[in-house]
Amino acid sequence: AQTVTQSQPEMSVQEAETVTLSCTYDTSENNYYLFWYKQPPSRQMILVIRQEAYKQQNATENRFSVNFQKAAKSFSLKISDSQLGDTAMYFCAFIPYFGNEKLTFGTGTRLTIIP
Amino acid sequence: GAGVSQSPRYKVAKRGQDVALRCDPISGHVSLFWYQQALGQGPEFLTYFQNEAQLDKSGLPSDRFFAERPEGSVSTLKIQRTQQEDSAVYLCASSDDRGSEAFFGQGTRLTVV
Repeated sequence: AQTVTQSQPEMSVQEAETVTLSCTYDTSENNYYLFWYKQPPSRQMILVIRQEAYKQQNATENRFSVNFQKAAKSFSLKISDSQLGDTAMYFCAFIPYFGNEKLTFGTGTRLTIIP
Repeated sequence: GAGVSQSPRYKVAKRGQDVALRCDPISGHVSLFWYQQALGQGPEFLTYFQNEAQLDKSGLPSDRFFAERPEGSVSTLKIQRTQQEDSAVYLCASSDDRGSEAFFGQGTRLTVV
């Protein structure tokens, strides 16, 4: 079974600053996918960024990038030039390459961007 | 529509009442998932369909929970004899391939009183 741990229940940062959200996971699988999802107050989960474990290059999507450390089982999210619209819950999630396709989520980090 | 649609968005049920929650996934998406999200927590897996086949229902908390997807598109999650501990947001998601983006609906917030 896989587990995902997010050790920062809440974070806040000034607008335009950079913030890093932490995520660690535990699995015996060698190949898998990792995701960061954003959940604003509207409740709809929105994909922020996706990483395939067999790719060594860290994924980047505009202001969002990850630091994927496979040996350490760490998958942190960096948000650069933070904006008020980034205020939301952020969830780290895992899918194995084989077997059940279900997402295993962490408990989330509530991020507040301060104007 | 272009996204995953769930209805109703809010449901208040008296304890002991049966409820049915509907999910309309993105057209053509093979995989459909139901998750339960308690207040302040991450979503927890309930069940998974590939087309009309329910491949995994290991997350359903009790035999009061039942899900179906008879024609491989729309899915219904039914909860019989609701209890207070069933109060949560129920999220539906669909995807077209393993490892690709799962698209979520806005969820149904169920409150059992």
